[in-house]
Amino acid sequence: DAKTTQPPSMDCAEGRAANLPCNHSTISGNEYVYWYRQIHSQGPQYIIHGLKNNETNEMASLIITEDRKSSTLILPHATLRDTAVYYCIVSNSGYALNFGKGTSLLVTP
Amino acid sequence: GAGVSQSPRYKVAKRGQDVALRCDPISGHVSLFWYQQALGQGPEFLTYFQNEAQLDKSGLPSDRFFAERPEGSVSTLKIQRTQQEDSAVYLCASSNRGELFFGSGTQLSVL
Repeated sequence: DAKTTQPPSMDCAEGRAANLPCNHSTISGNEYVYWYRQIHSQGPQYIIHGLKNNETNEMASLIITEDRKSSTLILPHATLRDTAVYYCIVSNSGYALNFGKGTSLLVTP
Repeated sequence: GAGVSQSPRYKVAKRGQDVALRCDPISGHVSLFWYQQALGQGPEFLTYFQNEAQLDKSGLPSDRFFAERPEGSVSTLKIQRTQQEDSAVYLCASSNRGELFFGSGTQLSVL
């Protein structure tokens, strides 16, 4: 699986959009981009995934650049409950060999 | 069931002791995964089952680690002769289509 690079931490004010970037410059054509998040003391939770088109669901939007070398996860109206570690994973098998360290998002009141 | 269930939630073992960790996947999910998560790190893949077949065990760190899923449902991760470096949260996930559904994990502490 291709390697991903994420900033270690980010802050966001409650009610504002949280934009979490991910670089995956070595992604290959059949690899999907997956996003998960992990709230303290819980297992990771699936958020969204995509191949090359932008995707949206009830939790978030995923924007993938045209060259597919990077993507952004958007939480449109962050709440305190969105405070978590967010993992960006690239995989053609649906599972990851490892999740990396992710981005620790802190949503502040 | 409603979600992936793991037991026990916490396990304390003396070094050298054998442990068995259980995972009940979501009913009907074909794929089952085990991950290890050390403190402050992201989950790392251990092994993958499709039904009862173990298709990938490349992440198992040593031959002290053994996983099974004999009837294609419940899975057990066994660690023999535990060492302090085995202390971690062990996560189980199941899947049918691509996205993984995780349990809350078993926190193993080896003293």
